[in-house]
Amino acid sequence: LAKTTQPISMDSYEGQEVNITCSHNNIATNDYITWYQQFPSQGPRFIIQGYKTKVTNEVASLFIPADRKSSTLSLPRVSLSDTAVYYCLVGASGGSYIPTFGRGTSLIVHP
Amino acid sequence: KAGVTQTPRYLIKTRGQQVTLSCSPISGHRSVSWYQQTPGQGLQFLFEYFSETQRNKGNFPGRFSGRQFSNSRSEMNVSTLELGDSALYLCASSLVKSSGQETQYFGPGTRLLVL
Repeated sequence: LAKTTQPISMDSYEGQEVNITCSHNNIATNDYITWYQQFPSQGPRFIIQGYKTKVTNEVASLFIPADRKSSTLSLPRVSLSDTAVYYCLVGASGGSYIPTFGRGTSLIVHP
Repeated sequence: KAGVTQTPRYLIKTRGQQVTLSCSPISGHRSVSWYQQTPGQGLQFLFEYFSETQRNKGNFPGRFSGRQFSNSRSEMNVSTLELGDSALYLCASSLVKSSGQETQYFGPGTRLLVL
């Protein structure tokens, strides 16, 4: 079971790039890395998923080094609406997989 | 495609009662997972159903149960409600690939308040 560690909170300003790193030292070979965004009283929203190297979509980039023991979610030019909690989830379906969300990173974007 | 839907969105019950929550997954998704989210414990996995069978279960008492129907819709039931069951209950559906890659898409949740 890959345990994840993220910073509890981060502050940024509008227009800046934000990088949130997640540590997952005991990631398994089959595990994928997925990031979610959650606003208060709403369900988590899928942001991005990757296995290795770099993945980019219209909202974020995900950087995964060769050893896969960490990953970094990069949010370009954040706005106030990016204020939310961000979770990284590591795992793969099947077997006895129990999705384990950590406490996430509370990102506050200031004007 | 329509997203994951959950009903009801809000619910108030009293201790000792039981409650049933419903989840309709994204069309084509056969896996449905349930989570409980509280300020104290965060987001915790309850169980997962795949093709009408419970595939995995988190560390919750037997008062929490679920089922999945042939159309992949799922229900979860909590019997003998306790004050501590007050939480946001989230359902997530996913399309599981043979590689094990799975992306969960969450519904808006059901806010349960136990008085």
